Amino acid sequence: SYELTQPPSVSVSPGQTARITCSGDALPKQYTFWYQQKPGQAPLMVISKDNERPSGIPERFSGSSSGTTVTLTISGVRGEDEADYYCQSTDSTYTYQVFGGGTKLTVL
Amino acid sequence: QVQLVQSGAEVKKPGSSVKVSCKASGGSFSSYTLSWVRQAPGQGLEWMGRINPTPVKTNYAQKFQDRVTITADISTSTSFLELSSLRSEDTGVYYCARTLAFYGVAKVGVWFDSWGQGTLVTVSS
Repeated sequence: SYELTQPPSVSVSPGQTARITCSGDALPKQYTFWYQQKPGQAPLMVISKDNERPSGIPERFSGSSSGTTVTLTISGVRGEDEADYYCQSTDSTYTYQVFGGGTKLTVL
Repeated sequence: QVQLVQSGAEVKKPGSSVKVSCKASGGSFSSYTLSWVRQAPGQGLEWMGRINPTPVKTNYAQKFQDRVTITADISTSTSFLELSSLRSEDTGVYYCARTLAFYGVAKVGVWFDSWGQGTLVTVSS
């Protein structure tokens, strides 16, 4: 089955830049989406189609793609950005959706 | 804006089944694709399957293929997730989510733009 790989955790100090990667063989042909999830809440999309920011998402959130790896970048990290972040994409048949294992962002 | 409201928490015995509902408002339910996503305690998100109500078509993750049934009632704009042969590992929060797709020239995207509030299912003897 298709898998997306993320680092389990990333730690940064406030004001620094956090980068969270997601790797998958099909990513050159499939868009990746990023979700932020805080405890007790449903996921919230922060990046769409590799690098588009949905309405209402702060400009400090950005996305990029290179080959089989996509990256979520959070510039000028704030304490409120501490959360779990998941990448999500689809398999090569567009039938099955898959999430990465999630990355816990800790703001020191 | 689509709103998805799910049914309340459930406590089930091992070996039994659970049926969770997801009622949609806003937009045209018959044109939605709805997915179900599970999250075990302290674990990540796991896609279980999806339904397109018109025409009816379902796809299930291989892991759940033998135990899950997703249905939709267009008359009430409600989708249902039924999971059978429950075991303790099925304990978790179950979310429904509207599923959208984009077919670009170079890439395809399928994503979840609206989520229900989640339903906690606890499997315990």
